[in-house]
Amino acid sequence: EAGVAQSPRYKIIEKRQSVAFWCNPISGHATLYWYQQILGQGPKLLIQFQNNGVVDDSQLPKDRFSAERLKGVDSTLKIQPAKLEDSAVYLCASSPSGGVGETQYFGPGTRLLVL
Amino acid sequence: GENVEQHPSTLSVQEGDSAVIKCTYSDSASNYFPWYKQELGKGPQLIIDIRSNVGEKKDQRIAVTLNKTAKHFSLHITETQPEDSAVYFCAATLNAGKSTFGDGTTLTVKP
Repeated sequence: EAGVAQSPRYKIIEKRQSVAFWCNPISGHATLYWYQQILGQGPKLLIQFQNNGVVDDSQLPKDRFSAERLKGVDSTLKIQPAKLEDSAVYLCASSPSGGVGETQYFGPGTRLLVL
Repeated sequence: GENVEQHPSTLSVQEGDSAVIKCTYSDSASNYFPWYKQELGKGPQLIIDIRSNVGEKKDQRIAVTLNKTAKHFSLHITETQPEDSAVYFCAATLNAGKSTFGDGTTLTVKP
């Protein structure tokens, strides 16, 4: 089966600019996660969707980050305006239904550099 | 919220030796503990996991142990090979799949 797809793979922007990332989860997976992975750290959950509804966005900096999952399939994560500290890899993952013990399948990530 | 600490941050072993990575967690409600391997330029990939009602699980050269009382769990890799070189992450998961990750261990296996 096809894995989680993400684009772009790399992005370089200047601070205060905006940027958007796209994720296509594994077909049929109801749960979609966006993680931020800063260099040298583990992934940190930003937002979790169940179909097209938000389950958890407690760690999403809502003043600058937004995410949507229209029609419960693809998702986009946007940063506006970007700050230097947003430089990180943004990982998308999906799982069949979000239950405990389910494997989360990760995409390759989008590497963002903010100058 | 949940806090996961992982040690060591770097680990270098000779091919054929064993490697052990340890994690502790803070929230006793966490009940699922996956381990991921991340290679350069790729996303994390699940290699083994354990539920809170099990003390040990083994899959070929990889094993995980869990001590719920002490709130720590460990990854054991035996007969290490150069292709085991990667960054390994532990995670502690609460209900609804919310995982908190450790900061990773960079494992280097020298041929």
